Amino acid sequence: GQQLNQSPQSMFIQEGEDVSMNCTSSSIFNTWLWYKQDPGEGPVLLIALYKAGELTSNGRLTAQFGITRKDSFLNISASIPSDVGIYFCAGPLDNQGGKLIFGQGTELSVKP
Amino acid sequence: DAGVTQSPTHLIKTRGQQVTLRCSPISGHKSVSWYQQVLGQGPQFIFQYYEKEERGRGNFPDRFSARQFPNYSSELNVNALLLGDSALYLCASSPSGTHLFFGSGTQLSVL
Repeated sequence: GQQLNQSPQSMFIQEGEDVSMNCTSSSIFNTWLWYKQDPGEGPVLLIALYKAGELTSNGRLTAQFGITRKDSFLNISASIPSDVGIYFCAGPLDNQGGKLIFGQGTELSVKP
Repeated sequence: DAGVTQSPTHLIKTRGQQVTLRCSPISGHKSVSWYQQVLGQGPQFIFQYYEKEERGRGNFPDRFSARQFPNYSSELNVNALLLGDSALYLCASSPSGTHLFFGSGTQLSVL
């Protein structure tokens, strides 16, 4: 079945550093989504990507839709303590919406 | 505006019991989806309902069932609970399409 693999599984960085994480799939996606989950909360959508090669920013976050449509990347610049959390990539299971497959997450820790 | 609300926030049950989880979507959202999140993993799709009709079901046993009411709120039922059902159960609503807005979840512990 479909599977999304995220790497790295966890990261420990210093405040102010840039962060890169990625997500690969065994199958093609037409949409890539990046979510962040804080402890005790549900995931919150950060960035949505709809076209191969697309580069989209949301503040200090930048995400790219890979040209092969089988991968996506998320970068965070100048990390701050509130960036701590788990970052998930996700893609739609079908074209009707509402059904997503998630990666296993990248846990980010930021040292002040 | 109120976000997606789920109740209860925490629940402890014993093996074999049944549980009902509740979800109220964002006002105007007609689609509700349910996800199971086991510790250390990403959410896994269980059900989607749109306009009270089931639109999809993930790879979960028949012990899991759900429904959506005329006001678009939803319930997830799990029968004959197993230890492995212990997880965070997330509800998400959407006007339609892919942008899901998640609630804070119900943490279910099965002892």
